[in-house]
Amino acid sequence: TQLLEQSPQFLSIQEGENLTVYCNSSSVFSSLQWYRQEPGEGPVLLVTVVTGGEVKKLKRLTFQFGDARKDSSLHITAAQPGDTGLYLCAGRRDDKIIFGKGTRLHILP
Amino acid sequence: DAGVIQSPRHEVTEMGQEVTLRCKPISGHDYLFWYRQTMMRGLELLIYFNNNVPIDDSGMPEDRFSAKMPNASFSTLKIQPSEPRDSAVYFCASSPMTLTYEQYFGPGTRLTVT
Repeated sequence: TQLLEQSPQFLSIQEGENLTVYCNSSSVFSSLQWYRQEPGEGPVLLVTVVTGGEVKKLKRLTFQFGDARKDSSLHITAAQPGDTGLYLCAGRRDDKIIFGKGTRLHILP
Repeated sequence: DAGVIQSPRHEVTEMGQEVTLRCKPISGHDYLFWYRQTMMRGLELLIYFNNNVPIDDSGMPEDRFSAKMPNASFSTLKIQPSEPRDSAVYFCASSPMTLTYEQYFGPGTRLTVT
């Protein structure tokens, strides 16, 4: 059983479009992180959210932590080819970080 | 400041051989994590250390896998004997002692066992 479910698994859209990807769980997490991974590299941390309902913005990326701290979303405005990559969410539960399988995003120029 | 360093970047070996992967964490980070990534299973935590002490190795798949951290600046993950199903990308990550365990990943070692 996957503790963190990410959807969609794959997404291919045109440059300039908006998109939202999701990270869902039936478990509560004390914090949640989003990472982006490019081919041949390790994941790179984008943001950490801690408080239920928290919203953080990073340029064109908006991250939201659910009120109950069980889910999160990542919204990208006006996607660009440089946004292409694997987006991973990771939740902290007890002393562990648990990763979802990721959303593979491809932005077409 | 240098990030997490892993070596080798690529390893191709034959089934039955011993494989040793190496990691140098970011200086001052108290936690070190070993992960394995495959298309089928995603990123899986194998083991993590706090101040060089193994805390949780429940993700280590079998006795063929072992990990050590002899000091704060070096860790190894060893597979003996290796099998084709061990083929994957192995990541090392380090983290400072914060409430949220931000992970700083190395570039990974791509292991192919034939």
